[in-house]
Amino acid sequence: QVQLQESGPGLVKPSETLSLTCSVSGGSISGYYWTWIRQPPGKGLEWIGYIYYSGSTNYNPSLKSRVTISVDTSKNQFSLRLSSVTAADTAVYYCARLLKNSGLQIVLVFDIWGQGTMVTVSS
Amino acid sequence: DIVMTQTPLSSPVTLGQPASISCRSSQSPVHSDGNTYLSWLQQRPGQPPRLLIYKISNRFSGVPDRFSGSGAGTDFTLKISRVEAEDVGVYYCMQTTQFPYTFGQGTKLEIK
Repeated sequence: QVQLQESGPGLVKPSETLSLTCSVSGGSISGYYWTWIRQPPGKGLEWIGYIYYSGSTNYNPSLKSRVTISVDTSKNQFSLRLSSVTAADTAVYYCARLLKNSGLQIVLVFDIWGQGTMVTVSS
Repeated sequence: DIVMTQTPLSSPVTLGQPASISCRSSQSPVHSDGNTYLSWLQQRPGQPPRLLIYKISNRFSGVPDRFSGSGAGTDFTLKISRVEAEDVGVYYCMQTTQFPYTFGQGTKLEIK
C-alpha cells in the first residue's frame, strides 16, 4: 500500500525559500505523476503543480515564477521549492499522487495523499 | 482558470437524513477526449482530503454506496443518501480537465 510522507522545516523566514520533500513508501515513484497542494489555515485547497517520474512538470501559473518541483527516483522522493515566501504562503502543504490511468481508462485523480505538513512563514 | 463554486457553504443535517452539495463550474470541464474530470473529495477534521467520486459519478475504491455523484455541463451534485456521524467534514469539488487544476471553496457538513 503506497504511503506518502511530507518532511521539511515548519518555519521559514520571509523572502527565503521553502523546501519540502515527499517520501513515497510501499511502491515505486516510477510510472506516476506526483503533485503538491496547499491549504492555508481555515481555507480551501490550491494546486501548486505536478511532476512526472521522468521529470516533466506542470505548475500553477499563479506560483510558476517561484516554484520548482523535482524528483529523485533513486530515493523514491520528490520535492517542492517555493522561493521568496511571504506570510501568504503559510499553509499545510500536502503531497499526493496524481493517478492518470486506472486500467484502460483515464481518471486524473488525486488518489493518495500524505498527512500534510504545516509551514509557517514568519520572522 | 475554471472557477468552481459550491453551494451551500455550510450544511447542517440530521443523522440518517440525506444531504446534497452543488458545484458549478465557470466553464464546461469537458475535456477534448470527451470525459469530464470532475471529482469530489472529503476532508474530515484534522485529516488530509480523501477521494470519493471521480469523473462525475464514479465511486472510488472503498467509498460507501450512500455517496453518489451526478451532473453534466457546468452543474454537478454530490449526494449522501443517509448521513452518518463519520461524514462530518468539508467536501470539495475539483476539476482536473484544464490547467490549472482548481477546487471549489468547500462545503462544511455538520450534524444538527
